[in-house]
Amino acid sequence: GAGVSQSPSNKVTEKGKDVELRCDPISGHTALYWYRQSLGQGLEFLIYFQGNSAPDKSGLPSDRFSAERTGGSVSTLTIQRTQQEDSAVYLCASSASPNSGRWNEQFFGPGTRLTVL
Amino acid sequence: AQSVTQPDIHITVSEGASLELRCNYSYGATPYLFWYVQSPGQGLQLLLKYFSGDTLVQGIKGFEAEFKRSQSSFNLRKPSVHWSDAAEYFCAVRRGFGNEKLTFGTGTRLTIIP
Repeated sequence: GAGVSQSPSNKVTEKGKDVELRCDPISGHTALYWYRQSLGQGLEFLIYFQGNSAPDKSGLPSDRFSAERTGGSVSTLTIQRTQQEDSAVYLCASSASPNSGRWNEQFFGPGTRLTVL
Repeated sequence: AQSVTQPDIHITVSEGASLELRCNYSYGATPYLFWYVQSPGQGLQLLLKYFSGDTLVQGIKGFEAEFKRSQSSFNLRKPSVHWSDAAEYFCAVRRGFGNEKLTFGTGTRLTIIP
């Protein structure tokens, strides 16, 4: 596709359930980022992938949060035992290789709105 | 660690009026600065960026921003706003040229009145 896509667009879950959020980056983009947007905390960085490895996962708020990326493409953010404070919009972004000679704009997807009841 | 402050949570301007959104950053070295716009239900779109050189940068949709090192500011301006500019605006800073995380301000919501 032309842009970053995320699924589902909306997810409602019950407290304590696990959820998986998916991100499809722009084809050929080697870097992938997850951010979270919530009323109380604004836009926060969660984790960054370069290829399939995550050199920076400093923003993951707890060990209930994990992410993986396979084949240098699709990424999944998993939240285990969801809590009400996990309710937020989860945004994914991707950017080109650092060797591309460009300055690496991050292109954002539309987000997944997660509501934990 | 870098940080960004957007002191105005909500701004209302009349259509056709000029606009200035404030952004102050805290970072020990030369920052890489960005302005993003988020329309309702949409992802973030890059308006403009500053890395080095000319401190007045032009972006899309008629926006510009000026980097002032002495004031640690990167304010966004538009001479005449349109109703379609109603959105949320985020200032962001990045530490490096490559693939680094963005640190965002809390955003300014812009309302346009006819």
